[in-house]
Amino acid sequence: GQNIDQPTEMTATEGAIVQINCTYQTSGFNGLFWYQQHAGEAPTFLSYNVLDGLEEKGRFSSFLSRSKGYSYLLLKELQMKDSASYLCAGIYGQNFVFGPGTRLSVLP
Amino acid sequence: DAEITQSPRHKITETGRQVTLACHQTWNHNNMFWYRQDLGHGLRLIHYSYGVQDTNKGEVSDGYSVSRSNTEDLPLTLESAASSQTSVYFCASSKIEGDGELFFGEGSRLTVL
Repeated sequence: GQNIDQPTEMTATEGAIVQINCTYQTSGFNGLFWYQQHAGEAPTFLSYNVLDGLEEKGRFSSFLSRSKGYSYLLLKELQMKDSASYLCAGIYGQNFVFGPGTRLSVLP
Repeated sequence: DAEITQSPRHKITETGRQVTLACHQTWNHNNMFWYRQDLGHGLRLIHYSYGVQDTNKGEVSDGYSVSRSNTEDLPLTLESAASSQTSVYFCASSKIEGDGELFFGEGSRLTVL
């Protein structure tokens, strides 16, 4: 299978920076998505990486290293509303394979 | 605006009953997917379809079936509901190209007693 691995829980302080890591199997890999999911809601799109490097979008950035099978999501200037689960998903063929999600708690 | 809708949003049923969860999208996407989400497992793929009359089994397909008679709809049927199928179910769709983002419905919470 295409195992996607990420930490299940993280805690950070309001205003700080947090990095959520994701590792994946490289065989058949086509690209990587990050989704945000608030409790009781549907996942929503955050970012997409297909080439190596950093993609920046406001307070959120996502990095990909295809050779290492590694990605991270960087959240800057954390706000209380950033408390959510962050899902790493690899594209294999036309299918999305999701990691277990990282539940981020932002504390005041 | 284009959207993807699921119904019902909440359902309680009994073991052994047949249940169908509806999914309707107006994005005109070829690809549609059903996932279940459980604590500790993340989103797991149940069935998927790449177009009309195309259906495929995912990682956790036992006890579920789907049909794709048109582009807009991919209903998920539990032939004989089991307590292990208590979960939150998400329908999603994407463009045919591999870099098309996945759009999710709001989810259907199913409880099997």
